[in-house]
Amino acid sequence: GENVEQHPSTLSVQEGDSAVIKCTYSDSASNYFPWYKQELGKRPQLIIDIRSNVGEKKDQRIAVTLNKTAKHFSLHITETQPEDSAVYFCAASEHSGGGADGLTFGKGTHLIIQP
Amino acid sequence: GAVVSQHPSRVICKSGTSVKIECRSLDFQATTMFWYRQFPKQSLMLMATSNEGSKATYEQGVEKDKFLINHASLTLSTLTVTSAHPEDSSFYICSAQRQEAPQPQHFGDGTRLSIL
Repeated sequence: GENVEQHPSTLSVQEGDSAVIKCTYSDSASNYFPWYKQELGKRPQLIIDIRSNVGEKKDQRIAVTLNKTAKHFSLHITETQPEDSAVYFCAASEHSGGGADGLTFGKGTHLIIQP
Repeated sequence: GAVVSQHPSRVICKSGTSVKIECRSLDFQATTMFWYRQFPKQSLMLMATSNEGSKATYEQGVEKDKFLINHASLTLSTLTVTSAHPEDSSFYICSAQRQEAPQPQHFGDGTRLSIL
């Protein structure tokens, strides 16, 4: 099955600086890679996703890059703000014509934005 | 659109009790729903895939007789934790997948289960 590794487990950055979280995956059949933000006791919220036919995707301060050959993808947050503090999870799954598999999540990164 | 409702949000009960958790897609039909479990400060782990009208598919290590899943309609899946014990205490979250657009998955608010 799929295995997703995520680093770092904790990331502390100064407000206004950039944050980068990296993930690798093992199953070459995976073709869908979402990133979730989760606050304590709440549901995971999708912040951005990318499919394997795209190398990069950007949405305002958030961007995701995918290197399918190396099987890794990264989340980039620029101009960080205190409200960006949360746990971030990367995930991977395979999406075929018949539907999609369940998500395999990384272990999470606790992002701390220092004022 | 794409709202998933999960009920109850919190359950506290005695060891040996069976607990049922409901996951409903409110404004779309979901042929597939997923059940995840999250222990404190850990990641979400896929427990099972629930398909409408057929038996659920369980991930390795998840006891199907312990975690009963029923997906009787295109908008409702239930997870029953049978004879719950303290080690079953966890945060259980469902997600639903639109038939016509499988990704992204839409998550419920989760159920915090505490077994005394």
